[in-house]
Amino acid sequence: EAQVTQNPRYLITVTGKKLTVTCSQNMNHEYMSWYRQDPGLGLRQIYYSMNVEVTDKGDVPEGYKVSRKEKRNFPLILESPSPNQTSLYFCASSTGSGQPQHFGDGTRLSIL
Amino acid sequence: QKEVEQDPGPLSVPEGAIVSLNCTYSNSAFQYFMWYRQYSRKGPELLMYTYSSGNKEDGRFTAQVDKSSKYISLFIRDSQPSDSATYLCAPGLYNFNKFYFGSGTKLNVKP
Repeated sequence: EAQVTQNPRYLITVTGKKLTVTCSQNMNHEYMSWYRQDPGLGLRQIYYSMNVEVTDKGDVPEGYKVSRKEKRNFPLILESPSPNQTSLYFCASSTGSGQPQHFGDGTRLSIL
Repeated sequence: QKEVEQDPGPLSVPEGAIVSLNCTYSNSAFQYFMWYRQYSRKGPELLMYTYSSGNKEDGRFTAQVDKSSKYISLFIRDSQPSDSATYLCAPGLYNFNKFYFGSGTKLNVKP
């Protein structure tokens, strides 16, 4: 089954404690992306990757890092989380830019 | 000005009603127009994908694009309680790495 898998699905943590949200896709997609979804603001792109070792900033990259060492994986790293990063996060993949995206089921992060 | 504007709702309708969901956009260069459906506690899933002005029909769903007005619509005929979800419009550009999304309209179809 084609899918994008995110872990964890839920996380409550404290300010400053580094965390990583993993994302893996099994569709051999080149393009992957991270979004955060906040009420009234919709989906906002954090970072994206066009292929292995190729990443770039989206609209709201501050406070986040990513890496793309393998085609299937695209982890999101919060080096020093802060309460304003409390949000619902989605990973997505597609065959390329401008193509329909497949989304994971989301990770709800609460930073206290 | 936001690239994509969408009424957040919520929109509540009785089962069997025709639903109209709408978005406006500011970038006249947008080449394709997608609609995603998002159920509670799930990620968005592609519902409709069109790249031209006019109508595209798929079962009970019709996507309509008016490029001259920069206005896109999604119509749902014979709405069902299973259609209760948030609907996101997503216009965009080919060969461009950024994706745009409306903030979503929450639809509730009452039995």
